[in-house]
Amino acid sequence: AQTVTQSQPEMSVQEAETVTLSCTYDTSESDYYLFWYKQPPSRQMILVIRQEAYKQQNATENRFSVNFQKAAKSFSLKISDSQLGDAAMYFCAYRSLQGGSEKLVFGKGTKLTVNP
Amino acid sequence: KAGVTQTPRYLIKTRGQQVTLSCSPISGHRSVSWYQQTPGQGLQFLFEYFSETQRNKGNFPGRFSGRQFSNSRSEMNVSTLELGDSALYLCASSVDTATEAFFGQGTRLTVV
Repeated sequence: AQTVTQSQPEMSVQEAETVTLSCTYDTSESDYYLFWYKQPPSRQMILVIRQEAYKQQNATENRFSVNFQKAAKSFSLKISDSQLGDAAMYFCAYRSLQGGSEKLVFGKGTKLTVNP
Repeated sequence: KAGVTQTPRYLIKTRGQQVTLSCSPISGHRSVSWYQQTPGQGLQFLFEYFSETQRNKGNFPGRFSGRQFSNSRSEMNVSTLELGDSALYLCASSVDTATEAFFGQGTRLTVV
C-alpha cells in the first residue's frame, strides 16, 4: 500500500519570503500522480499543483513550484513571495494510475502560517 | 460552472442514529469519492463511485455505505453512529482518472 509522509506538522514564513514544504512517499509503482492541496479555514480543498511521475520536468504554477525527486520518492512544494492568503493546511497526496481508481492517499498535512 | 455541492454543511446526531450525506458533483463528472477527515487520523478514503458502481473501498466498517445515482449524485450513509464518527466528510468529483479531483466544502458531522 502506498503511504505519504509530511514530516513538518507546522511551518511559518514571513510575508514575501520563500518556504518549502516537504513530502515523501512510498510506492512500488512507476506511474502515478502527485498533488499538493491547500485547505484554508473554509475547509474547501483546493488543488495547488500536480505532477505526473513520468514527467521529469518539475511542475510550476505561478508562485508555486515542486521539486520532484522520483528516485528519492520526494515531492516538496516551494512557495515563493508568500502572501497572507497562502496561510492554510497543505496536504501532499498520491494517486495510483493502476486499476482506474480516483483514490487519493494523503499525508497528515502541514499547517502554514504567514506572518506579516 | 457550479462546484461540488455537499449537503448539509453541518449535522448533529445522537449515538446510535443513522445519517445520510449528499454530494452533487460538477456537471459532467462521473467519478465521486468520499473522504473522512479527523484531527487524529487525517484524511482517509472511504469509497469511490463511477457510473453508479463502487470502484474502490477504503478500510471502514460496514456501517459506512454509499451509492451513486444515474445523474452522478452520490450519498453516503452511516448507520449506528458512534462518537468516533464525528468528522468532516469530504466529497470529490472528477471526469476520469486523468484529471484532478475537485472537492466540496464538506459536511461537519458531530455525534453526541
